[in-house]
Amino acid sequence: GAGVSQSPSNKVTEKGKDVELRCDPISGHTALYWYRQRLGQGLEFLIYFQGNSAPDKSGLPSDRFSAERTGESVSTLTIQRTQQEDSAVYLCASSFFRVDQPQHFGDGTRLSIL
Amino acid sequence: AQSVAQPEDQVNVAEGNPLTVKCTYSVSGNPYLFWYVQYPNRGLQFLLKYITGDNLVKGSYGFEAEFNKSQTSFHLKKPSALVSDSALYFCAVRPATSGTYKYIFGTGTRLKVLA
Repeated sequence: GAGVSQSPSNKVTEKGKDVELRCDPISGHTALYWYRQRLGQGLEFLIYFQGNSAPDKSGLPSDRFSAERTGESVSTLTIQRTQQEDSAVYLCASSFFRVDQPQHFGDGTRLSIL
Repeated sequence: AQSVAQPEDQVNVAEGNPLTVKCTYSVSGNPYLFWYVQYPNRGLQFLLKYITGDNLVKGSYGFEAEFNKSQTSFHLKKPSALVSDSALYFCAVRPATSGTYKYIFGTGTRLKVLA
């Protein structure tokens, strides 16, 4: 079946520009997560959505970062006024809302800020 | 504080030899434990999980993991390594607490299987 889909797969932009990253979760998965992975490093939690509940934004590193989710489907992560330190792979994952369920990850968006 | 530790940044093993990738955790209450693998330019793929029951869990691609409550460990193992197992491995824990939805990931261990 279809997995988590992220677009674009690669994005190169100039410092100061805004970028929007998209995530299509697996159908039926009510939980959706965004992570940042810097080169050679682990996963940094950014934000979590569950159904129509208020998202957990505790991992967003600054107010330049924001995310939205339409119901239980598509999510977009927006980075305004990009900085070079924003260069990373941004991973999206979705899961059923049960604590014993694993996350399913997309292949990520590789963001490069020039 | 709740945490997951993967003490080895890299593990090298010869093809055909057994491999172990270590993971220890610190959480309140009972944990749900997961292993993921990441190949270059890909997202993480789920390998296996421990929820309850048998301490030895079997997963994809011949991997297994042993849950040890007294040592708070969940080491990933495979009896005979393949070159194609070379990848980045992440351990993750999710506290079995109602409403706790965050996964805590380790920093990853790079496995290199030598031909």
